[in-house]
Amino acid sequence: QKEVEQDPGPLSVPEGAIVSLNCTYSNSAFQYFMWYRQYSRKGPELLMYTYSSGNKEDGRFTAQVDKSSKYISLFIRDSQPSDSATYLCAMKFGGYQKVTFGTGTKLQVIP
Amino acid sequence: DGGITQSPKYLFRKEGQNVTLSCEQNLNHDAMYWYRQDPGQGLRLIYYSQIVNDFQKGDIAEGYSVSREKKESFPLTVTSAQKNPTAFYLCASSSHLGTGGNTEAFFGQGTRLTVV
Repeated sequence: QKEVEQDPGPLSVPEGAIVSLNCTYSNSAFQYFMWYRQYSRKGPELLMYTYSSGNKEDGRFTAQVDKSSKYISLFIRDSQPSDSATYLCAMKFGGYQKVTFGTGTKLQVIP
Repeated sequence: DGGITQSPKYLFRKEGQNVTLSCEQNLNHDAMYWYRQDPGQGLRLIYYSQIVNDFQKGDIAEGYSVSREKKESFPLTVTSAQKNPTAFYLCASSSHLGTGGNTEAFFGQGTRLTVV
């Protein structure tokens, strides 16, 4: 079993839809949770990070962590064609430990 | 503009050759990382360095080597011992988060290495 599981997609949605991207993990010791966006043939960019459980909102993006279920989510409201990319979840145990990445979910927002 | 610069963008290697991938950052970050990305496998850590003149093996260090002589630079050499080097290589640096940790917040644009 992988430490972090992420549905590879692809996920296709119409413009304006609410998108839900999810990851599950097996190790309850993870404390920091991140979401990255990666456009084709580019490096990932950090979208959001969360420490421990709870929600965090940034514009159209909301990150949610449920440590009891070992489940994290990224919601994108009013999705735009420019949101079409691969979204990687990632997590780490402590502040200075290595990051474990999910395999990424490819999202396509259709105009 | 601050950031991470990787070069070259595309690199072709013949069997048995060593090649070096460049990574330079002007963000004044202490920690730098090298990842390999393969389809369906996500990012895997090759080497990382928390400070100048010190570096540690990641999960897949065999067949790779690094140096960290300057804070700004963290080159990766893919040696002939790496049996399957064709991949997308990403360099990253980390910044401090308010919660007392740090994370790979900045990535370069990657180098796509192909063995010919």
